[in-house]
Amino acid sequence: EIVMTQSPATLSVSPGERATLSCRASQSVGTYLVWYQQKPGQAPRLLIDDASTRATGIPARFSGSGSGTEFTLTISSLQSEDFAVYYCQQYSKWPLTFGGGTKVEIK
Amino acid sequence: EVQLLESGGGLVQPGGSLRLYCAASGFTFSNYALSWVRQAPGKGLEWVSTFSGGNPYYTDSVKGRFTISRDNSKNTLNLQMNSLRADDTAVYYCAKGPYSSSHHFFDYWGQGTLVTVSS
Repeated sequence: EIVMTQSPATLSVSPGERATLSCRASQSVGTYLVWYQQKPGQAPRLLIDDASTRATGIPARFSGSGSGTEFTLTISSLQSEDFAVYYCQQYSKWPLTFGGGTKVEIK
Repeated sequence: EVQLLESGGGLVQPGGSLRLYCAASGFTFSNYALSWVRQAPGKGLEWVSTFSGGNPYYTDSVKGRFTISRDNSKNTLNLQMNSLRADDTAVYYCAKGPYSSSHHFFDYWGQGTLVTVSS
């Protein structure tokens, strides 16, 4: 099983600042990596697929990068609606696995 | 508009059974992989099962206990859950994949149905 590790667990950021979230895979997943955003009481929402492709309707302030085992989600200028939990997921191999999440909170 | 509506959740005793349903609309149901993903209270996301390219896939902890199926004539995805345990307690989400049999991530999600396993 590919283990996905996200860091940090919690990120405190002021509105307007940049947020950088990390996701590491225990073995190479190529670019078969996606990011989701989840707000309290809501289902997750797809942000980024194929490591760096924004999903439909996702603002340009969200960007993804990386390949192999190291990945980054960057939110260039945090808006109030961006405070949420973010998960990465690999789809290179079965079983599909998620990272433990990074909570982005208001500083 | 893609819609996924789960139902069938509830309270069940350990060792019991439950069947979850996902009614889909807004897309050509038979053309896409469909999955179940769960989230225990206050915890992260865990993939449970996918029906893709005519084949079922399961996470190890539910193999032999859960069965995924789909009815393309009724646009429904099902999850039969047997021998339920306390650690199966979670919100169960139905989720759609972007393709029929590859790239198994989730571009649309339902709102979830809560399954509670407790005596």
